[in-house]
Amino acid sequence: DTEVTQTPKHLVMGMTNKKSLKCEQHMGHRAMYWYKQKAKKPPELMFVYSYEKLSINESVPSRFSPECPNSSLLNLHLHALQPEDSALYLCASSHDRDSIYGYTFGSGTRLTVV
Amino acid sequence: EDKVVQSPLSLVVHEGDTVTLNCSYEVTNFRSLLWYKQEKKAPTFLFMLTSSGIEKKSGRLSSILDKKELFSILNITATQTGDSAIYLCAVGYGGSQGNLIFGKGTKLSVKP
Repeated sequence: DTEVTQTPKHLVMGMTNKKSLKCEQHMGHRAMYWYKQKAKKPPELMFVYSYEKLSINESVPSRFSPECPNSSLLNLHLHALQPEDSALYLCASSHDRDSIYGYTFGSGTRLTVV
Repeated sequence: EDKVVQSPLSLVVHEGDTVTLNCSYEVTNFRSLLWYKQEKKAPTFLFMLTSSGIEKKSGRLSSILDKKELFSILNITATQTGDSAIYLCAVGYGGSQGNLIFGKGTKLSVKP
């Protein structure tokens, strides 16, 4: 299995909703990442987990809350989002933080906040 | 400030043409440079470059890194309409290669 699987593929949520994005990989990678990508822009790093510990929080608003329950799973909990948070959310994983070996992106969740 | 600059930002060619995409960078503690192709969804990995002067090839695509002049090029020969995409350059930097900074991408359109 050489894939990073993200669910759901599409999500529409209201500003008062609570939802979660999920990411899963079974490649034995120990580093996992969340990126946010707006239309016609490059991906922007949000969070990095290394060996299930959060190691970077790139000043992301607290309405985004990451969670890494185990080495294969990464969640992004969403609460009280704003319409400007609408974007493609990409998960990625790599062998570990000190190696880009196998750096792989999931297919993303297209999030629309209404 | 660390930055990755890609040029051109967009490019329109006809099938069969050869194109060269550029990526220059200024980052602290460079670790590696990656090229991705992005169509409608997630970026798909093309190449990872860590050493200067060693060309990497995959079919009609090739790439090379110049660590002295701080740039990389991605060549695509005999372009096809299926090559139409945004090509992203990303640089791993700092204390961990896992930190990537992306360029804004080059949008390539290949006309039949």
